[in-house]
Amino acid sequence: GAGVSQTPSNKVTEKGKYVELRCDPISGHTALYWYRQSLGQGPEFLIYFQGTGAADDSGLPNDRFFAVRPEGSVSTLKIQRTERGDSAVYLCASSPGRGGSYNEQFFGPGTRLTVL
Amino acid sequence: GQNIDQPTEMTATEGAIVQINCTYQTSGFNGLFWYQQHAGEAPTFLSYNVLDGLEEKGRFSSFLSRSKGYSYLLLKELQMKDSASYLCAVPGGGFKTIFGAGTRLFVKA
Repeated sequence: GAGVSQTPSNKVTEKGKYVELRCDPISGHTALYWYRQSLGQGPEFLIYFQGTGAADDSGLPNDRFFAVRPEGSVSTLKIQRTERGDSAVYLCASSPGRGGSYNEQFFGPGTRLTVL
Repeated sequence: GQNIDQPTEMTATEGAIVQINCTYQTSGFNGLFWYQQHAGEAPTFLSYNVLDGLEEKGRFSSFLSRSKGYSYLLLKELQMKDSASYLCAVPGGGFKTIFGAGTRLFVKA
């Protein structure tokens, strides 16, 4: 079956612009995570959704970052007034069931965001 | 808070055995994950340990000691395709997962 997909695969934008990154999880997975990964580092947690609700958004670095999952499947990560420090690979992952921390996460290929 | 330490890089020879260590500090332990990540690709799940001891899965085994805050990933009969980063991760409270920076493994012929 299809895995987690993310679009676009690459996004280049200018400082101060707004970007949206999309994640399409595995069908039936209720848990969805967003991470960002800088070169040479592990994924850094941003936000976790269980269904439509953001159950844990403690990893969002500031109020320029926002994510939605209106119908409990596709999710969009939105970044306002982008800064050069936002450049990273943004990874999405999904897993079945609740209590996501205990479940294997299935990762998408990521969106490489470059802010010039 | 949570903290994870792994070696930055390791090099091993094809056909050999390599052990990648991970030490962690966490408030409230709920298991430890290992993921593999090839360059430019997404992490993929390798193992999850919640009880002490060794769990074997083919060429890969993972060990956990909760009292020592220590885990290792053991890779046997190394193949060139095993060259990748290996990420140690623990649940970090709430629903987050905390990942280490990863160990880059280079397998040479």
